[in-house]
Amino acid sequence: EDKVVQSPLSLVVHEGDTVTLNCSYEVTNFRSLLWYKQEKKAPTFLFMLTSSGIEKKSGRLSSILDKKELFSILNITATQTGDSAVYLCAPEGGSARQLTFGSGTQLTVLP
Amino acid sequence: ETGVTQSPTHLIKTRGQQVTLRCSSQSGHNTVSWYQQALGQGPQFIFQYYREEENGRGNFPPRFSGLQFPNYSSELNVNALELDDSALYLCASSPQTGGAHYGYTFGSGTRLTVV
Repeated sequence: EDKVVQSPLSLVVHEGDTVTLNCSYEVTNFRSLLWYKQEKKAPTFLFMLTSSGIEKKSGRLSSILDKKELFSILNITATQTGDSAVYLCAPEGGSARQLTFGSGTQLTVLP
Repeated sequence: ETGVTQSPTHLIKTRGQQVTLRCSSQSGHNTVSWYQQALGQGPQFIFQYYREEENGRGNFPPRFSGLQFPNYSSELNVNALELDDSALYLCASSPQTGGAHYGYTFGSGTRLTVV
């Protein structure tokens, strides 16, 4: 059975801190790994990673994938209150190339 | 681009009833996937439709069924509702199967409460 474990489950930090969110996975027919930010309802796409060791960056966010050890991390530097959200890791795989989501990390950034 | 539209936004049903949720996919997208997100959990894959055919299914019982229409909009039907069916139901469309490569667009979801 496909499995995705995210840690920590929740995190409370102050503005300006740096955070690292972890995702380990086991999925059949792995194709890629996606990170999403969910604030209220619709998840918002952040990154798609397909190759090991290549860091993807977007402003203060960056992510890297290790396909050998089956994990990914999402880093957020200089956090802001607007970064408060649930961050979801979702490897793509299976028969329909569907997304298997982890339970998410609830990030709260205090002013 | 009009995005993905889901209706209704909220719904309250009684245990044992049946419900139909609707999703209008983004223009040009022929693949629709449905996900169930229980409170405090990540979305779980229900099934995917590609060009009006079911293209894959997650670990959900047969009382969860779906349709995709020629315009690629889709419906999710749930029969014999149970309390545990209370969740946010998300629809995601993509231009092809293998949506991660082409990009998924998620709707804002339907919040279903079963009492």
